[in-house]
Amino acid sequence: GENVEQHPSTLSVQEGDSAVIKCTYSDSASNYFPWYKQELGKRPQLIIDIRSNVGEKKDQRIAVTLNKTAKHFSLHITETQPEDSAVYFCAALSGTYKYIFGTGTRLKVLA
Amino acid sequence: DTEVTQTPKHLVMGMTNKKSLKCEQHMGHRAMYWYKQKAKKPPELMFVYSYEKLSINESVPSRFSPECPNSSLLNLHLHALQPEDSALYLCASSQGYPQPQHFGDGTRLSIL
Repeated sequence: GENVEQHPSTLSVQEGDSAVIKCTYSDSASNYFPWYKQELGKRPQLIIDIRSNVGEKKDQRIAVTLNKTAKHFSLHITETQPEDSAVYFCAALSGTYKYIFGTGTRLKVLA
Repeated sequence: DTEVTQTPKHLVMGMTNKKSLKCEQHMGHRAMYWYKQKAKKPPELMFVYSYEKLSINESVPSRFSPECPNSSLLNLHLHALQPEDSALYLCASSQGYPQPQHFGDGTRLSIL
């Protein structure tokens, strides 16, 4: 079946450094890739998304890149802050409504 | 300012009880979803309703029964659950395809 691999599972960075999280998807027909941030005990919140007709998208300190040939997409957070600490999930849309989530990355930003 | 509202926030029930989880959105979204999330795991898709019709059932046990009474409401009826069903149950909605999902705060369910 379809799956999404996500790495690393945990990531610790110093405040101000950059963080990169990588995902690989299996369904070549996937055309929409959202990223969610989930703080402890809270709901997943969409932070950025990208569609298959675009290679890169940026929103302030957050950017996402997509390589359709390699079926890779990545989240880049620059100038990290302690409030960026959370679990981040990538996802790929497989079919019309089926979102396949990655296994998550626990990001810790050390002050 | 959660736009998807779930009730109750917490639910403790015995294995012989019957209860329901409720989800409501007023954004005019036409797709609504139920997910199950265990601790330190990603959300796991259970059901999808599109235009009030069941579109996806991810082989969920029949002790979970979804219902979509209208375009704004989604219910999940629970009966004879097992301890392993204890989890956070998340509802989400989206405008259509392919559009971002908006999640509710979830119902934390504990089965005794």
